[in-house]
Amino acid sequence: GAGVSQSPSNKVTEKGKDVELRCDPISGHTALYWYRQSLGQGLEFLIYFQGNSAPDKSGLPSDRFSAERTGGSVSTLTIQRTQQEDSAVYLCASTSLGWGREQYFGPGTRLTVT
Amino acid sequence: QKEVEQNSGPLSVPEGAIASLNCTYSDRGSQSFFWYRQYSGKSPELIMSIYSNGDKEDGRFTAQLNKASQYVSLLIRDSQPSDSATYLCAVNFPGYSSASKIIFGSGTRLSIRP
Repeated sequence: GAGVSQSPSNKVTEKGKDVELRCDPISGHTALYWYRQSLGQGLEFLIYFQGNSAPDKSGLPSDRFSAERTGGSVSTLTIQRTQQEDSAVYLCASTSLGWGREQYFGPGTRLTVT
Repeated sequence: QKEVEQNSGPLSVPEGAIASLNCTYSDRGSQSFFWYRQYSGKSPELIMSIYSNGDKEDGRFTAQLNKASQYVSLLIRDSQPSDSATYLCAVNFPGYSSASKIIFGSGTRLSIRP
């Protein structure tokens, strides 16, 4: 079946502009995570949606970052007034709420802020 | 504080030898444990999951879990240059007042030398 998809695969934007990154999870997966990964670094947790529960936003680095998940499926991560330090790969992962909760990653969006 | 600890490496292992990767976690109530492999420039790929104490084997990979010691490891037998990657340990921490959540370690960089 189809895996997690993300768009765009690459995004170059000017400092100060807003960007939207999209994630389409695996069909039927009710939990969705966003991570950020800078070059050579580990995964930085950003936000977590689980079913109809309120999202866990504890990893968002500033109020310029926000995310929503419409209809329990597609999610959009929005970064307002982008800064150069926002340059990174943004990864989305989805998981079922079954017992195993194995997480599957999308290919990521590489964001470059110039 | 929910934590997953790994040595960052690099861990250098000769081709054909056994590579041993280790991970400790902070919550004794955790039930699901995962190993991911991440090649440079790619997103993490799930390679093993383990839920019960003991060993779980899949080809050249063996995951070992000791819940009493809060320790999970990954052994790679007959290491190949293609095994050179960063290996991420992930733990599903149970939720009590909130939903359970998957936490990643910072990863161990493994290098297989010919």
